[in-house]
Amino acid sequence: SQTIHQWPATLVQPVGSPLSLECTVEGTSNPNLYWYRQAAGRGLQLLFYSVGIGQISSEVPQNLSASRPQDRQFILSSKKLLLSDSGFYLCARSSTQGQYFGPGTRLTVT
Amino acid sequence: AQSVSQHNHHVILSEAASLELGCNYSYGGTVNLFWYVQYPGQHLQLLLKYFSGDPLVKGIKGFEAEFIKSKFSFNLRKPSVQWSDTAEYFCAVRNNNDMRFGAGTRLTVKP
Repeated sequence: SQTIHQWPATLVQPVGSPLSLECTVEGTSNPNLYWYRQAAGRGLQLLFYSVGIGQISSEVPQNLSASRPQDRQFILSSKKLLLSDSGFYLCARSSTQGQYFGPGTRLTVT
Repeated sequence: AQSVSQHNHHVILSEAASLELGCNYSYGGTVNLFWYVQYPGQHLQLLLKYFSGDPLVKGIKGFEAEFIKSKFSFNLRKPSVQWSDTAEYFCAVRNNNDMRFGAGTRLTVKP
């Protein structure tokens, strides 16, 4: 089966601290991977997507970055968090049938 | 870049009322269209999708959606809603690797 893992599940970080969210995918090779942020009233905002190792497309200019060091690993990072970075971060994998989502990470920046 | 618009932010209906949620997108090329639902406290799940063929697609739980190419629309419908349909509904559009979601419509069904 194809499974998406996200770590950690919840995170509380102070403003200005760094961030690293990890997403790993099982059961498939060379997946297209996505980072979305879900915030109240704003739906799902596409942040980054990747079609392969080292290939990152950025959709929203901001203080976040993404990396894909391995085929099944997708990392979302920040050097200095802002209050506005709070939200629910979802990793997703695309298939011919649509998107499969991971369980998400709830980030609260204080 | 393509964009997806959902016009209704919050819809409140009584049970047995009919539902139509609007979705419009901006991309002019070939797209795949989706509706996802997120029940309270649960993950997003696929409700229905359109790739090609019959523009009227039927999904789970009695939902259907109609693709109208000339209007760039993919509205979601259900003839008679139930209390258990209370959830947030997201329209999504995919063009190749680029998949974007609307802001979502929160549906509240009163018993």
